[in-house]
Amino acid sequence: GAGVSQTPSNKVTEKGKYVELRCDPISGHTALYWYRQSLGQGPEFLIYFQGTGAADDSGLPNDRFFAVRPEGSVSTLKIQRTERGDSAVYLCASSEGVTGELFFGEGSRLTVL
Amino acid sequence: AQSVAQPEDQVNVAEGNPLTVKCTYSVSGNPYLFWYVQYPNRGLQFLLKYITGDNLVKGSYGFEAEFNKSQTSFHLKKPSALVSDSALYFCAVRDRLSGGYNKLIFGAGTRLAVHP
Repeated sequence: GAGVSQTPSNKVTEKGKYVELRCDPISGHTALYWYRQSLGQGPEFLIYFQGTGAADDSGLPNDRFFAVRPEGSVSTLKIQRTERGDSAVYLCASSEGVTGELFFGEGSRLTVL
Repeated sequence: AQSVAQPEDQVNVAEGNPLTVKCTYSVSGNPYLFWYVQYPNRGLQFLLKYITGDNLVKGSYGFEAEFNKSQTSFHLKKPSALVSDSALYFCAVRDRLSGGYNKLIFGAGTRLAVHP
């Protein structure tokens, strides 16, 4: 596609449920990032992939959060046992190469009731 | 600790007037600085960046930013504001420990409202 695609755009779930958020980066972009944006705040780094491997997952808040990118393209962010504090917009970005400009998707808005 | 501050939650300006959105940073060494814009229901879009060289950086949509090392600032400017510039603006700095990839530390954002 022309840009970074994220699905679903909105997800409402109940506390304790499992959630998957998908990111389809720009074709050919080797670097992929996940950020989280809480209400009234700027995006916060979660994880960075170069190819298939997570090169930096230091921003994942705890072990309930996990992300994969098995074929070096599409990535899935997985959240187990969701909590109300997980409610936020989850942003995906990709770039051509390590230092390339970031192109962001529109985000997946997660609401945990 | 590395950080970015955007001291204004909102900036109001009349169309045609110059605009400034403020950003200060706290990073040891030479910073890599960025501005992004977020329009309603759109993803963050890159505006401009400072890596090295000329302190005045020109970017998309007529925006520019001035890097001031002594004041640790990177204010975003535009000579003549448009109503269509109304959006949420984020300043960011690259984490110096990232090894070169774009692990960015964002400010909280400033909402720009341009009135006709």
